[in-house]
Amino acid sequence: EAQVTQNPRYLITVTGKKLTVTCSQNMNHEYMSWYRQDPGLGLRQIYYSMNVEATDKGDVPEGYKVSRKEKRNFPLILESPSPNQTSLYFCASSNHPPGTSDTDTQYFGPGTRLTVL
Amino acid sequence: AQKITQTQPGMFVQEKEAVTLDCTYDTSDPSYGLFWYKQPSSGEMIFLIYQGSYDQQNATEGRYSLNFQKARKSANLVISASQLGDSAMYFCAMREGPGYTGGFKTIFGAGTRLFVKA
Repeated sequence: EAQVTQNPRYLITVTGKKLTVTCSQNMNHEYMSWYRQDPGLGLRQIYYSMNVEATDKGDVPEGYKVSRKEKRNFPLILESPSPNQTSLYFCASSNHPPGTSDTDTQYFGPGTRLTVL
Repeated sequence: AQKITQTQPGMFVQEKEAVTLDCTYDTSDPSYGLFWYKQPSSGEMIFLIYQGSYDQQNATEGRYSLNFQKARKSANLVISASQLGDSAMYFCAMREGPGYTGGFKTIFGAGTRLFVKA
């Protein structure tokens, strides 16, 4: 079954304690993204990756790191989480950048709800 | 500056009626893509429909159609024959790029919550 998986699904942590949210896709997609969703703001792109070892900042990259060492995995790293990073996080993947061909759209993971105390 | 605007925070529609969810966008890139996603209360993001900036015809997918007015920079979603299961949050999104590294960003609107009444 084609899917994007994220772990953990729920996480409560404290300020400053490094954490990693994993994302994996089994569709051999080249393009992967991380978003955060906050009420009234929709989804905002944190980082995206065009392929292995190719990442770039989205609109809200501050406080986050990513890596793309393998095509299937795109972990999101919070080196020193702060309460303003409390949010719902989505990972997504697509074969190409979304919309660059007729059928390319993003497949989203189930989301990770993060609370930073 | 916000580049995707959804002016309707919430909307009600009677079951079996049609509803239009508004979306306006702003970009200077001649090549872009527009999307609509549905987010039910369970939280997952479900792709509904896509419109490319060079597409001559409005996109349709079953009960969903996209009313694309390029000159007005609007991409409204029309849902025909609303069903109770259509109650959800709906997001308009735009792909723009390439950026300075050749990458593409995706920008979402704030969303419209649709309530379908029986």
